[in-house]
Amino acid sequence: ETGVTQTPRHLVMGMTNKKSLKCEQHLGHNAMYWYKQSAKKPLELMFVYNFKEQTENNSVPSRFSPECPNSSHLFLHLHTLQPEDSALYLCASSQDHRLAVYNEQFFGPGTRLTVL
Amino acid sequence: GESVGLHLPTLSVQEGDNSIINCAYSNSASDYFIWYKQESGKGPQFIIDIRSNMDKRQGQRVTVLLNKTVKHLSLQIAATQPGDSAVYFCAETLNQGGKLIFGQGTELSVKP
Repeated sequence: ETGVTQTPRHLVMGMTNKKSLKCEQHLGHNAMYWYKQSAKKPLELMFVYNFKEQTENNSVPSRFSPECPNSSHLFLHLHTLQPEDSALYLCASSQDHRLAVYNEQFFGPGTRLTVL
Repeated sequence: GESVGLHLPTLSVQEGDNSIINCAYSNSASDYFIWYKQESGKGPQFIIDIRSNMDKRQGQRVTVLLNKTVKHLSLQIAATQPGDSAVYFCAETLNQGGKLIFGQGTELSVKP
């Protein structure tokens, strides 16, 4: 596989469920990102990891728990979510989180999450 | 066809026409800007970027214009094709350690 892959592509869960989203990048990048994309709202950055270390938590509620075991894999653990958490969750990777120019972020296809 | 700011979420153009998608950015200190294309069922894809020391940059069929005076960014697509149908959004950032701040997006629909 190439690029950034995400699984599952679709997820429906109840508010009391625990589930996890998985992201894998095959680009040799060092930085990985979680974004939330809600209908008719701009992409919102949630978390940034660089070399497995979290460098950014954009005031995300604790019911979202990220995990980055290595530079190629990123997880988002979900617990007791609310219906308003329903959105497309996008993962991205880049070579370096500190610079933007010549440091294009490559996005995965996203996981469409529905919380009932 | 032309979109106006972030408050017109859709733009419909005839195949072969030129499209202009506009974006008003928020931070006058932003020094790097990117346009993304997001097709249905896919993640955003980089189209073209521009640094704040430039006011125009051209790619293949796309041109980005930057007006720092009024904090305005536009994406021009020449000879729009059905494959250009997607949501387009701009992002701004500070090159040094800045987070990408995304605009709302404009949905471009190309009529054959």
